[in-house]
Amino acid sequence: AQKITQTQPGMFVQEKEAVTLDCTYDTSDQSYGLFWYKQPSSGEMIFLIYQGSYDEQNATEGRYSLNFQKARKSANLVISASQLGDSAMYFCAMRDYPLIYNQGGKLIFGQGTELSVKP
Amino acid sequence: EPEVTQTPSHQVTQMGQEVILRCVPISNHLYFYWYRQILGQKVEFLVSFYNNEISEKSEIFDDQFSVERPDGSNFTLKIRSTKLEDSAMYFCASREGAQETQYFGPGTRLLVL
Repeated sequence: AQKITQTQPGMFVQEKEAVTLDCTYDTSDQSYGLFWYKQPSSGEMIFLIYQGSYDEQNATEGRYSLNFQKARKSANLVISASQLGDSAMYFCAMRDYPLIYNQGGKLIFGQGTELSVKP
Repeated sequence: EPEVTQTPSHQVTQMGQEVILRCVPISNHLYFYWYRQILGQKVEFLVSFYNNEISEKSEIFDDQFSVERPDGSNFTLKIRSTKLEDSAMYFCASREGAQETQYFGPGTRLLVL
């Protein structure tokens, strides 16, 4: 069964510095997708970045980049130039590609990493 | 920018009561989902819905739960007889057919007393 592991329950980073949030995954599927979501204290889930298992380039979205190492089964999120507004819970998730097309592909989430940005 | 909306934002109910959580997915999306997050825990998949039927459900989604798309815009989750352990944040999400990303609504925080 697919599994996502985030080993850092909490992280601190100084404002304007870069930070890496770790994520490892376990799957026997060849085709899968990896996501990062941000959950601020207000509770909503905000999509940050996506990486497909066949994508050769690491995904980037503004200050967010995904360090995808397929052989190691890791998909770490890198946030450059941290801002105070980046303080939040961050979840790594994996979408399984369904064998049956209309199965929809649920997301499997990790436990999350709480990031605190210090001024 | 289109977004998923959910109502109500908060709901308090007595154990044994029925609740209906409502969602309006993004208009051109084809796949719909419900997830829940018990306080302090990770987000868990409940059910996915496509072409007016359930396409997948988790072991959490037992006979007390049901989903419906009563019209072209709303997507609802009903809990028939709430239990204390149903207290959680419930998220609706939707996905366009051709794209991978699921977009989440702001959630409904359900408290069962």
